Amino acid sequence: KQEVTQIPAALSVPEGENLVLNCSFTDSAIYNLQWFRQDPGKGLTSLLLIQSSQREQTSGRLNASLDKSSGRSTLYIAASQPGDSATYLCAVQGTGFQKLVFGTGTRLLVSP
Amino acid sequence: DAGVIQSPRHEVTEMGQEVTLRCKLISGHNSLFWYRQTMMRGLELLIYFNNNVPIDDSGMPEDRFSAKMPNASFSTLKIQPSEPRDSAVYFCASSFAGRGLSGNTIYFGEGSWLTVV
Repeated sequence: KQEVTQIPAALSVPEGENLVLNCSFTDSAIYNLQWFRQDPGKGLTSLLLIQSSQREQTSGRLNASLDKSSGRSTLYIAASQPGDSATYLCAVQGTGFQKLVFGTGTRLLVSP
Repeated sequence: DAGVIQSPRHEVTEMGQEVTLRCKLISGHNSLFWYRQTMMRGLELLIYFNNNVPIDDSGMPEDRFSAKMPNASFSTLKIQPSEPRDSAVYFCASSFAGRGLSGNTIYFGEGSWLTVV
């Protein structure tokens, strides 16, 4: 059974810092990995999707990497801003069909 | 595109009452997911449909829960009778799955916040 773990559970940084969020998964037979953002009282917004054959994806100040063999992914946020404050979730999709297994998230607070 | 639309956004109901949550998929999508989010258990997949057919309902907690897709763009999740432990945020999500049910970006609605008292 796939299990997804995110570390740290919470992170507080001053504005402008670069930061890394970590995600690990137990079964490396995945189809893809997605990073989502969730604001309080809102749904999930997809940030980046990395296919299993890819090593990384970039979107603006966000860069996500994937090491499938070791079961790890990182989300790098450059030059953090207060507007980045949210909960970040990673989710892996197994082969076969589109079932996403989510981690418990990292709650990020960026202070001005 | 309006995105995945869920209703109601918030519902407070008494234990034993029937609850119906509704979801409209993004136009052109053929996969529909119902997730439940709680503080204790995080996000859990309840059921997944592809082309209106339930593919995996192993996450449905018990017989009190049922989900349908009466057409390609609409789904309902029903809880009857509701219990306080059903209190959670219920998310609907949709995507387009190609041949082989390949993975693509999944888009979430803003959730239905259910409180059963």
